[in-house]
Amino acid sequence: GIQVEQSPPDLILQEGANSTLRCNFSDSVNNLQWFHQNPWGQLINLFYIPSGTKQNGRLSATTVATERYSLLYISSSQTTDSGVYFCAVAANQAGTALIFGKGTTLSVSS
Amino acid sequence: EAQVTQNPRYLITVTGKKLTVTCSQNMNHEYMSWYRQDPGLGLRQIYYSMNVEVTDKGDVPEGYKVSRKEKRNFPLILESPSPNQTSLYFCASSLAFRTSGNPYEQYFGPGTRLTVT
Repeated sequence: GIQVEQSPPDLILQEGANSTLRCNFSDSVNNLQWFHQNPWGQLINLFYIPSGTKQNGRLSATTVATERYSLLYISSSQTTDSGVYFCAVAANQAGTALIFGKGTTLSVSS
Repeated sequence: EAQVTQNPRYLITVTGKKLTVTCSQNMNHEYMSWYRQDPGLGLRQIYYSMNVEVTDKGDVPEGYKVSRKEKRNFPLILESPSPNQTSLYFCASSLAFRTSGNPYEQYFGPGTRLTVT
């Protein structure tokens, strides 16, 4: 099955810093999503991005499908950005489980 | 507001006492799914449903049942809970057939934290 690797596993930042999170996947996908799991455990959809680039406020994401990786950029980080960021992929249509990476744990201090 | 809701959000129960975790979505999605999240094991799919009356096993179905009698609801049933089912549970939904926009983007509920003693 598809393997999903995220790096770095942990990231500690001061408020205002920028960061880049990476997701590598082992096969072609037609669904790639980034999630933020907040300290209360909720999974928040950030991006649906099987290819291309998207931006939403201070966050942006780029997926290079041909090279099998995706990047999540967080600019001017805030303490509320803390939590775990997951990349998840699926190779087929709906009905296939999303395969999640192990996540990047981000801690932003003021 | 488009959303997936789960109830209860938190539950502490005892071994063997049947329980149901409800899941409902208001986006007219065909596909619904249950995941569990455990430390060190990540999120794993329990069951999924492609449409009403169509369900199938995911990676870890043992000890769980599901039903899909209405499009919007997909309850997860634990007939005889055991401590190894202590976990954080998520329901998710998406479209099942290609359409415009983000065809297969999955939307997750807020999670149900279950403890079985």
